[in-house]
Amino acid sequence: DIQMTQSPSSLSASVGDRVTITCQASQDISNYLNWYQQKPGKAPKLLIYDASNLEAGVPSRFSGSGSGTDFTFTIGSLQPEDIATYYCQQYDNFPYTFGQGTKLEIK
Amino acid sequence: EVQLLESGGGLVQPGGSLRLSCAASGFTFRSYAMSWVRQAPGKGLEWVSTVINSGSNTYYADSVKGRLTISRDNSKNTLYLQMNSLRGEDTALYYCAKLRGGYGGPAGHWGQGTLVTVSS
Repeated sequence: DIQMTQSPSSLSASVGDRVTITCQASQDISNYLNWYQQKPGKAPKLLIYDASNLEAGVPSRFSGSGSGTDFTFTIGSLQPEDIATYYCQQYDNFPYTFGQGTKLEIK
Repeated sequence: EVQLLESGGGLVQPGGSLRLSCAASGFTFRSYAMSWVRQAPGKGLEWVSTVINSGSNTYYADSVKGRLTISRDNSKNTLYLQMNSLRGEDTALYYCAKLRGGYGGPAGHWGQGTLVTVSS
């Protein structure tokens, strides 16, 4: 199974900050990498698919990059409504696997 | 509008069984792969299982293989998860998700989840 290692596990930042989360796959997954946002008490929401493609309706301050084994998720300018936990997920092979999540808080 | 409505969760004793359902609407159900994803209380997301559009191929996490069975009824636009030999570690909120393609892909739509509690 492909292991996804996400870091950091938690992050505190100020409104307006640039925030970066990384995700590393245990083997080459090409660009089969998604990023999800989960707000407390809510279902996850797809933000980025295929490593760098922004899902329709998602603000442009969110972006993703990478291929192979190393991936990055960035919020260009942190907004209060971005408080959530963020997960990466690979879908190169079954079983699909998630990273352990990054809990983002406002400083 | 895509809608996914899970049901069937509840309290069950260890070793017991439960069947979850996910009623889908707002899209051509038979065209898309579907998944179950779970989240234990206070924990992260865990992919559980996927069934392709026709229902002919299924995939499972190692942690549930042999105990949980995914299936679908394309005539009823409904996804199922038969859960047998339940354990405490199966306690979680179970989400139904629609995948982007017929054979897999990103989970673009999610239900609100149904809670399964395994306890004596």
